[in-house]
Amino acid sequence: EAGVAQSPRYKIIEKRQSVAFWCNPISGHATLYWYQQILGQGPKLLIQFQNNGVVDDSQLPKDRFSAERLKGVDSTLKIQPAKLEDSAVYLCASSPLRGTYEQYFGPGTRLTVT
Amino acid sequence: GQQLNQSPQSMFIQEGEDVSMNCTSSSIFNTWLWYKQEPGEGPVLLIALYKAGELTSNGRLTAQFGITRKDSFLNISASIPSDVGIYFCEGGTSYGKLTFGQGTILTVHP
Repeated sequence: EAGVAQSPRYKIIEKRQSVAFWCNPISGHATLYWYQQILGQGPKLLIQFQNNGVVDDSQLPKDRFSAERLKGVDSTLKIQPAKLEDSAVYLCASSPLRGTYEQYFGPGTRLTVT
Repeated sequence: GQQLNQSPQSMFIQEGEDVSMNCTSSSIFNTWLWYKQEPGEGPVLLIALYKAGELTSNGRLTAQFGITRKDSFLNISASIPSDVGIYFCEGGTSYGKLTFGQGTILTVHP
């Protein structure tokens, strides 16, 4: 079974530029999560989708971050405009069943904002 | 929001030793999960716990869901070099809030 795919693996941009990350969850997984992991910290949940609906986006900085999950499969996370403090690893995860929270993570995208 | 206090922050042990780490919170959780993360990779699920008092094993790993529902413990027996990594706890509430701990960095000396 293929795991969670993310691209790109690395991205370097200048502050005020825009960037987008892509995630393809494990086939059949209805729940998809985006996390931000700053170096030396635990992952912080940004947004959780159930199929293509948002379950929780309370920690998503909506003035600059947006996410969508069209057709309930792939998802994109966008930052516009980026700030220096957005430098982090962005992790995507998926779960087969709602409410179990057993998540399967992708390798992440390491974003550096200069 | 919920905060999880994970301790210790780091551990340096000899191969063969047992390891204990824990996660505590002032909030009640319905689910506790333990993950391991290696450099350049996403976290990998080790154990999931769903009931207060539950004790679950996965090979040399054993985790417990605290009876107060505010804490959880992870033990690794007879550590080996490949146990090196960062171990995270994650708590899930009944209304879907998920919170990760800050991680315990484990170093195993051969």
